[in-house]
Amino acid sequence: AQTVTQSQPEMSVQEAETVTLSCTYDTSESDYYLFWYKQPPSRQMILVIRQEAYKQQNATENRFSVNFQKAAKSFSLKISDSQLGDAAMYFCAYRTPRDNYGQNFVFGPGTRLSVLP
Amino acid sequence: DVKVTQSSRYLVKRTGEKVFLECVQDMDHENMFWYRQDPGLGLRLIYFSYDVKMKEKGDIPEGYSVSREKKERFSLILESASTNQTSMYLCASSPRGLGNQPQHFGDGTRLSIL
Repeated sequence: AQTVTQSQPEMSVQEAETVTLSCTYDTSESDYYLFWYKQPPSRQMILVIRQEAYKQQNATENRFSVNFQKAAKSFSLKISDSQLGDAAMYFCAYRTPRDNYGQNFVFGPGTRLSVLP
Repeated sequence: DVKVTQSSRYLVKRTGEKVFLECVQDMDHENMFWYRQDPGLGLRLIYFSYDVKMKEKGDIPEGYSVSREKKERFSLILESASTNQTSMYLCASSPRGLGNQPQHFGDGTRLSIL
């Protein structure tokens, strides 16, 4: 079974600085999808960024980018120019495309990010 | 935008009660999910449904059941609530068959069992 590990339960960053959140996963699949979700305090969980395993190019969404290392099974999230609104719980998630019914989402335990003014 | 609506943000119930958590999505998604979120454990899948009246057990189905009578609505039922079911419950939906499509989540229901 696939597992997702986030080794940093909590992190903090100074406003306007850059922070990297770590995620590793374990799978025997060669084709899969990876996601980072953000859950602000008492608010809805939303998608931050996604990466297809067959793509070598790292995904980027404005200030958010990933460092996808397929051989190392690593999928870290970099937040540049951190803002107070980035403070949230961040979850790394894995999905295999093999099952079209979509139940194979596996989530990591989360990293709580604090942004210091 | 996809909207997933959970009926309650906060709910307090007593041990032994039958508890219903409701979830509605407005994007005609085939898949719907119920997760439980606990600190340090991430999201754990309770049940999911890939079609009306269809359901599959997730990782922690014990003590729970689900109902999906209409495509847009997915209900989680705690048959006889216990204190160890105090948690945050998240509903999500996603379209079928598109691997890079994310799940869309509701706001969550924080359930306390006294």
